[in-house]
Amino acid sequence: SQTIHQWPATLVQPVGSPLSLECTVEGTSNPNLYWYRQAAGRGLQLLFYSVGIGQISSEVPQNLSASRPQDRQFILSSKKLLLSDSGFYLCAWSPAGLSWEQYFGPGTRLTVT
Amino acid sequence: ELKVEQNPLFLSMQEGKNYTIYCNYSTTSDRLYWYRQDPGKSLESLFVLLSNGAVKQEGRLMASLDTKARLSTLHITAAVHDLSATYFCAVDTPLNSGTYKYIFGTGTRLKVLA
Repeated sequence: SQTIHQWPATLVQPVGSPLSLECTVEGTSNPNLYWYRQAAGRGLQLLFYSVGIGQISSEVPQNLSASRPQDRQFILSSKKLLLSDSGFYLCAWSPAGLSWEQYFGPGTRLTVT
Repeated sequence: ELKVEQNPLFLSMQEGKNYTIYCNYSTTSDRLYWYRQDPGKSLESLFVLLSNGAVKQEGRLMASLDTKARLSTLHITAAVHDLSATYFCAVDTPLNSGTYKYIFGTGTRLKVLA
């Protein structure tokens, strides 16, 4: 069966510090991968998605970047965090190809102070 | 731009009562999703509605989809405290790469009072 992991679960970082959030998927090959963000009291918004190694598409302009160095690894990064980067970050995956069903990870709570 | 709107945003209800959460979306979509989120937790998939007229039920929750009206409802029957959570609906829309992204509603925060 497939599982999705996110690391870390919670993170408190000062403004201006770097960020690296990791997402890994097990039990599947060549998944589509997604990063969503949930700002406080709001719904989720897609930030980035990837359909293959090294292929990253951005949905919204922002202070963050994403990378996919391995088939089942998706990383969300920032060089300098802003207060507005605070939120709950969810990684998701879907099977390769034209698949509409996405499966969400446990999430990372990021607080920028 | 595809928009998904839920109402109400907040719902406080007594145990044993019935209520309905509404989800409207602004463009055609073949599928609609309902999720539950507990505080600090990820999304728990409740229902995936795949076609017009679809109705699914699980316990005290029943979801339906009317694609012509672009409306989905989540009906709560005889609410219990354990149903207290935030409920999200979402629709999917195709991306250029051949995959999909989800557009989420703003959520309905449900509090069931004993």
